[in-house]
Amino acid sequence: DVKVTQSSRYLVKRTGEKVFLECVQDMDHENMFWYRQDPGLGLRLIYFSYDVKMKEKGDIPEGYSVSREKKERFSLILESASTNQTSMYLCASRDLTGDYSPLHFGNGTRLTVT
Amino acid sequence: ILNVEQSPQSLHVQEGDSTNFTCSFPSSNFYALHWYRWETAKSPEALFVMTLNGDEKKKGRISATLNTKEGYSYLYIKGSQPEDSATYLCAPGSARQLTFGSGTQLTVLP
Repeated sequence: DVKVTQSSRYLVKRTGEKVFLECVQDMDHENMFWYRQDPGLGLRLIYFSYDVKMKEKGDIPEGYSVSREKKERFSLILESASTNQTSMYLCASRDLTGDYSPLHFGNGTRLTVT
Repeated sequence: ILNVEQSPQSLHVQEGDSTNFTCSFPSSNFYALHWYRWETAKSPEALFVMTLNGDEKKKGRISATLNTKEGYSYLYIKGSQPEDSATYLCAPGSARQLTFGSGTQLTVLP
């Protein structure tokens, strides 16, 4: 089974801090994704990456950046955390050898910015 | 960004009841539609990936149908059990990007 591991289950950070959320997958998947989930809203795509050092903006990239130096690891960076970035963050990976492959998700990181 | 709507937002059913919910999406430029189940404190888990108009998929007591021409998919659960309690998410989209609906939260009461 594919395993997607997010480094922290819960995080509490202060406004203005730089925050790193780490995600590692163990199945050599090309594509990796960062979503955030807020009450009443669907999962919203922040950034995705289809290869090492490649990244594309999703629907809500403002205030975030990403890094993918190795195929298995995809990091989400909050350059200067703000209270409106309090949310559940989900990492996912996907194999594109099949056209219709599903996403494999991590357990999520619940981030609180105070 | 696709406009994806799921209904109802939430529902409560008794154990043993059958239930269904809907995912609506723009029918143009359709590529694939995913269904995920997200249980509390767990990660979302893929149920189905559907691509063909008229497609029907089944996994145990859960099944789904797809109508790409009119832009909807139904998810059915037969004989609901408490362990079916979860949020069910649909996501149409392309190979690189999926757009998620806000989900249907199902609670099955024993």
